Amino acid sequence: EDQVTQSPEALRLQEGESSSLNCSYTVSGLRGLFWYRQDPGKGPEFLFTLYSAGEEKEKERLKATLTKKESFLHITAPKPEDSATYLCAVQDWNSGNTPLVFGKGTRLSVIA
Amino acid sequence: DAGITQSPRYKITETGRQVTLMCHQTWSHSYMFWYRQDLGHGLRLIYYSAAADITDKGEVPDGYVVSRSKTENFPLTLESATRSQTSVYFCASRGLAGTTDTQYFGPGTRLTVL
Repeated sequence: EDQVTQSPEALRLQEGESSSLNCSYTVSGLRGLFWYRQDPGKGPEFLFTLYSAGEEKEKERLKATLTKKESFLHITAPKPEDSATYLCAVQDWNSGNTPLVFGKGTRLSVIA
Repeated sequence: DAGITQSPRYKITETGRQVTLMCHQTWSHSYMFWYRQDLGHGLRLIYYSAAADITDKGEVPDGYVVSRSKTENFPLTLESATRSQTSVYFCASRGLAGTTDTQYFGPGTRLTVL
């Protein structure tokens, strides 16, 4: 059974204080690992997809990296507008085109 | 407007009533999904559809029914609502962001069953 564990559950940072969010996963064959951002009262918003170990993707202050067992979402010099819940999800090759398995998310608060 | 929409955005109903949540996407994506999101559980798949008239169960399908007569619509029906079905429901469709395959989510429907 595919599993996704995100840590920490919640993270509070001062503006400009860089940190990383972790996503550990267990799948029989990773087809893709996805990062989403979710603001309160809204649907998840796509950030990145990573397909193979060693891959990295960046968007503004966010950088996602992938190993064979986990992914990190690095946040460099965060701003208050980066406050949101960040969700990680995996897709398994053995599941074909079926949906993503999500972690419970990390709730990030960035304080000015 | 292009995208994925859900209606209603908020719904209050009573135990035992039938409720239908609507989902509409304008991209002509083949795959569509229904999730529920609850504190402590994250997003859990209810049903999904690979194309019109093709649907399959997800992790938590009990108490729900889906149909897909047209590619763009994927309604979710609670045949006899229970309090445990109080949740936020998200519809999603699968497509490409550039060359990346991903799912796009609607804004959600907050359902309260009294």
